[in-house]
Amino acid sequence: NAGVTQTPKFRVLKTGQSMTLLCAQDMNHEYMYWYRQDPGMGLRLIHYSVGEGTTAKGEVPDGYNVSRLKKQNFLLGLESAAPSQTSVYFCASSTPGTSGVKHFGPGTRLTVL
Amino acid sequence: GDSVTQMEGPVTLSEEAFLTINCTYTATGYPSLFWYVQYPGEGLQLLLKATKADDKGSNKGFEATYRKETTSFHLEKGSVQVSDSAVYFCALSESGFNKFYFGSGTKLNVKP
Repeated sequence: NAGVTQTPKFRVLKTGQSMTLLCAQDMNHEYMYWYRQDPGMGLRLIHYSVGEGTTAKGEVPDGYNVSRLKKQNFLLGLESAAPSQTSVYFCASSTPGTSGVKHFGPGTRLTVL
Repeated sequence: GDSVTQMEGPVTLSEEAFLTINCTYTATGYPSLFWYVQYPGEGLQLLLKATKADDKGSNKGFEATYRKETTSFHLEKGSVQVSDSAVYFCALSESGFNKFYFGSGTKLNVKP
């Protein structure tokens, strides 16, 4: 039982390049999330999904796209990377409900030059 | 709107000292409250939670009590260890899958 895994762990991009971050979970969770973590700002929700084939915008969605073609996978795409997207990205999954605990992946550290 | 406010860090303590990290919240309904811990280079892990007023969450010697009257969920531990050095996040969850709010995090450094 690997929980939530993320690939890659580190990436350096040049401004304007594109990339996709992959999140996978093996807990059969309905809900999945992408957060970014910046110093002094906690975690901010980028996009989320409440089930296969569904996605929705979070607090800071601009410049990102997502897809959830399979229940266990949630992809985060950057079409044209900008230095402001330099951050640590965390994927999470959970069961429904307010007391549903979020399980986090180990994070992807992205630097955009 | 909903929000979570934590004390700013870093907090530096000697081993075996008493720890308190303050957390207060603003919510329109009846949220569940959480403490997450992030060890260096890792993702966040649930430390403890409480789902209703007066509930006490506890784990690994850490405790926090859901105080509705003071809208607080302070984290405490009686005797910290070097291995407790990490960043601690307070969070709340209200009805709705996207209504999950994190505080800014408090870094704890424990010296031997």
